Amino acid sequence: KAGVTQTPRYLIKTRGQQVTLSCSPISGHRSVSWYQQTPGQGLQFLFEYFSETQRNKGNFPGRFSGRQFSNSRSEMNVSTLELGDSALYLCASRSGQRIYEQYFGPGTRLTVT
Amino acid sequence: GQNIDQPTEMTATEGAIVQINCTYQTSGFNGLFWYQQHAGEAPTFLSYNVLDGLEEKGRFSSFLSRSKGYSYLLLKELQMKDSASYLCAVSGGGNKLTFGTGTQLKVEL
Repeated sequence: KAGVTQTPRYLIKTRGQQVTLSCSPISGHRSVSWYQQTPGQGLQFLFEYFSETQRNKGNFPGRFSGRQFSNSRSEMNVSTLELGDSALYLCASRSGQRIYEQYFGPGTRLTVT
Repeated sequence: GQNIDQPTEMTATEGAIVQINCTYQTSGFNGLFWYQQHAGEAPTFLSYNVLDGLEEKGRFSSFLSRSKGYSYLLLKELQMKDSASYLCAVSGGGNKLTFGTGTQLKVEL
């Protein structure tokens, strides 16, 4: 079974721009969660989507948004980028049945200059 | 709110045993997780505890005490490939995981 894939793997953007990151979950998995990882804050939960609906949301500003498509692929968007948004963005997929069966993708490394 | 504490760094010798501690304060509790993350790679699931006690899986064991808000990950017969960051995470409700900042373990010869 193919794992979680994320595109692009690396991205460089300028302050004020917007960015869209993509995540394709493991086949059959309906839940996709997004996390931001920085050296100082560690892994922080952004949001979770299940069957195209946002089910949980972390404490991030409205500049961070996401969506999920009918094929379970998910995108997250960050508008008006700030230097502090530089981070590794990880998505994780789950079949929806067991919380501990969550598998992470390799992440997208976003650098904002 | 959620607060998870774990040591920032630890160093141990190949072949030895190391214990990585994690303390947490959460408004709800649905389980505690340990993940391993090698530099530049995705976190991989190691263990899940929802009841008090020890869960053993090969060289790795994880312990939980819900009344003390405490867990540890025990790694035995350390190998060089165990050098990685170890992340403690708590599910406080729903499917949202709150992570600690991770413990960077360095295994030396």
